Amino acid sequence: QKEVEQDPGPLSVPEGAIVSLNCTYSNSAFQYFMWYRQYSRKGPELLMYTYSSGNKEDGRFTAQVDKSSKYISLFIRDSQPSDSATYLCAMSVSYTGNQFYFGTGTSLTVIP
Amino acid sequence: DAGVTQSPTHLIKTRGQQVTLRCSPKSGHDTVSWYQQALGQGPQFIFQYYEEEERQRGNFPDRFSGHQFPNYSSELNVNALLLGDSALYLCASRTGTTLVGDTQYFGPGTRLTVL
Repeated sequence: QKEVEQDPGPLSVPEGAIVSLNCTYSNSAFQYFMWYRQYSRKGPELLMYTYSSGNKEDGRFTAQVDKSSKYISLFIRDSQPSDSATYLCAMSVSYTGNQFYFGTGTSLTVIP
Repeated sequence: DAGVTQSPTHLIKTRGQQVTLRCSPKSGHDTVSWYQQALGQGPQFIFQYYEEEERQRGNFPDRFSGHQFPNYSSELNVNALLLGDSALYLCASRTGTTLVGDTQYFGPGTRLTVL
């Protein structure tokens, strides 16, 4: 069993839709949860970071963590064509985050 | 600020050969991590270098080795290449004191194809 599971999609939505991206994990020691966005032929860039359980909002993006269910989500409101990318969840055990465990990524296309 | 740079962009090798990939961290960063991203997969942690030493290693065989230079740049070496080594190799940099919530910057990667 992989430590982090993520539905690869692909996911295709109309512009303005609400997008929900999810990951599950098996290692209860994970405490730090990140979402990265990766455009084609680019390296991943950090979008959101949360610690332990709870919600965090940043503009159109909301990250949720439910440690009891070992489930994390990223919501994108009012999706834009520029949001079309692969979204990767990542997790870390330690505060210094030396080793990140990534999901496989979900490919998202927002259709104008 | 050029950010994290990697060279070469693309590389084609044959099985059994050896390859060296290079990374220059973002200005002010002293810690470099290497990741392997196979097609359709998430990045997998190979190892991290800080103060010219390997500080942590993921589940990769000894064929994967690295080096960090005094200017903080880094090399990833892979010996005895296998077809399964074909992937995008990502370098990420940060400062040694960066906490997990701070940004770790990724380079654009080197696409390695093993034939």
